Amino acid sequence: EAGVTQFPSHSVIEKGQTVTLRCDPISGHDNLYWYRRVMGKEIKFLLHFVKESKQDESGMPNNRFLAERTGGTYSTLKVQPAELEDSGVYFCASSRFRDSYTDTQYFGPGTRLTVL
Amino acid sequence: GEDVEQSLFLSVREGDSSVINCTYTDSSSTYLYWYKQEPGAGLQLLTYIFSNMDMKQDQRLTVLLNKKDKHLSLRIADTQTGDSAIYFCAESGGSQGNLIFGKGTKLSVKP
Repeated sequence: EAGVTQFPSHSVIEKGQTVTLRCDPISGHDNLYWYRRVMGKEIKFLLHFVKESKQDESGMPNNRFLAERTGGTYSTLKVQPAELEDSGVYFCASSRFRDSYTDTQYFGPGTRLTVL
Repeated sequence: GEDVEQSLFLSVREGDSSVINCTYTDSSSTYLYWYKQEPGAGLQLLTYIFSNMDMKQDQRLTVLLNKKDKHLSLRIADTQTGDSAIYFCAESGGSQGNLIFGKGTKLSVKP
């Protein structure tokens, strides 16, 4: 079984540009989560999809961030326009069961975003 | 508010035991987790413990939970150089299972 994959692994952009991150969850996993780790700080929750629906987006920092999961498969996270404070590592995770509070979240390797 | 605290660094010698500590604030957390991140890799779930348990053992790993003090620890017996990584403590804080993480403890194992 393939794990969670993320693309790109690294992205370096200038302030004001747009970047789109992609996450492919494990096949068959309904739940998809985005998290972010800013340098030296905690890994923070951004949002949660159940299939194609946004279940919880309380962690999204502002309206420059837009997440989609069309068709309930892969997800994209777009940052437009990017600011310096958006730099960090963006992790995606997926888990299998829709209603399972405790189902294991499997994480991808992350995308390291650097905004100059 | 929800907050998970852990020390940032730990250095041990190969063969010794490592103990990584964590405190959390949300007493309603049902599960508490330990994740491991090796350089360049994603987060790997090491183990988890249900909140009504005091201890869980899995091979070289022992998790202790003191629910009264909201204190969680991870003990790694016979620490090896391959155990060098960042270890994250996490609690299940959200209503839909989103995780709340600490800043991570960087474990360095010296030969």
